[in-house]
Amino acid sequence: SQQGEEDPQALSIQEGENATMNCSYKTSINNLQWYRQNSGRGLVHLILIRSNEREKHSGRLRVTLDTSKKSSSLLITASRAADTASYFCATDPSQTQGGSEKLVFGKGTKLTVNP
Amino acid sequence: DAGVTQSPTHLIKTRGQQVTLRCSPKSGHDTVSWYQQALGQGPQFIFQYYEEEERQRGNFPDRFSGHQFPNYSSELNVNALLLGDSALYLCASSLKGQGSYEQYFGPGTRLTVT
Repeated sequence: SQQGEEDPQALSIQEGENATMNCSYKTSINNLQWYRQNSGRGLVHLILIRSNEREKHSGRLRVTLDTSKKSSSLLITASRAADTASYFCATDPSQTQGGSEKLVFGKGTKLTVNP
Repeated sequence: DAGVTQSPTHLIKTRGQQVTLRCSPKSGHDTVSWYQQALGQGPQFIFQYYEEEERQRGNFPDRFSGHQFPNYSSELNVNALLLGDSALYLCASSLKGQGSYEQYFGPGTRLTVT
């Protein structure tokens, strides 16, 4: 079963605009990760945020995590046509400190950036 | 630095047949996880191999089995194929030995069962 629920399911914006995607999950987590997938190909790891972190930045990406609400958001600033892809959040419920045991994915948000 | 590689890229099989998919992890990684992604869905965890043993398993029947070799590469075997097994099969590698949580994915194998 899939734990994460991304919102919206699809998002269409113009180049230069910001894109915000949200993710909600159900159980406790060790960390939450965001991935990008282009046209049914492999997933590209974007960013990982640990359960004790609230915000993280990487280039044009900003991720927030609210464990009390069991939710996360991914903000892509100044979007480009090349950002067109599906974006997935994945929760890692690993209870040990021994590395990832598995990832639980949502259904993803399909982002289209129009030139 | 070689990333995760998978073979073959595409595969067409008939119902009832058996299939083997292969994965080589990213250089330096010791753990391989397999995921199934149906069209329009997010990936679903099948199982994870570490130190040549299955360590975690998702909600998949015994028709799905795997193996990890001493060089950390891995195989996914699916027996008695069903139409519903048609999907993109993704392999991901990570470095469990150092408590790393990032998983790096290969390009996937697209399996079509007719």
